[in-house]
Amino acid sequence: EAGVTQFPSHSVIEKGQTVTLRCDPISGHDNLYWYRRVMGKEIKFLLHFVKESKQDESGMPNNRFLAERTGGTYSTLKVQPAELEDSGVYFCASSHGLYTQYFGPGTRLTVL
Amino acid sequence: GDSVTQMEGPVTLSEEAFLTINCTYTATGYPSLFWYVQYPGEGLQLLLKATKADDKGSNKGFEATYRKETTSFHLEKGSVQVSDSAVYFCALSEGGTSYDKVIFGPGTSLSVIP
Repeated sequence: EAGVTQFPSHSVIEKGQTVTLRCDPISGHDNLYWYRRVMGKEIKFLLHFVKESKQDESGMPNNRFLAERTGGTYSTLKVQPAELEDSGVYFCASSHGLYTQYFGPGTRLTVL
Repeated sequence: GDSVTQMEGPVTLSEEAFLTINCTYTATGYPSLFWYVQYPGEGLQLLLKATKADDKGSNKGFEATYRKETTSFHLEKGSVQVSDSAVYFCALSEGGTSYDKVIFGPGTSLSVIP
């Protein structure tokens, strides 16, 4: 069974540009989560989808971040416009019902 | 709000040494507790978990016991190997399941030298 996959693995962009991160959850997992770890800090929750609906987006830092999950399969996280403080590693996780969250390898975002 | 505190690293040990990484938590309810591990160049992997008080999670020689009275979930291994070098994250999820968001500690970097 394939695990959670994320694309790209690394993205380097200029301040002010737009970046879109993608997450493909494990097949059949209705729950999809986004987290991020900015430099030197804890991994923080961003938001939670149940199928295509946003269950909890309390961790989204501001309106420059937009997450979607069309059709309840893969998800995208767009940052527009990117700022220097957005640099970090963005993790995606998925779970089936009430069970353990499985994490992807992360996307390392560098904003110059 | 809920939080997780774990010992600061980095931790450097010789092969076959005993490992303890301390972890304490603050939660309003009865959380599930986890240890995740991130090996160099890889993503987060669930190492072990415990869902209620006095439960012991174990995997790959690592163990941690859910201690409600001390709000702790310390990670231990009797004999570490070079391949255990990684960053270890203590974490919790409120409500007794992982359905809810996971709250992480800051991570402890472990280096094991031959």
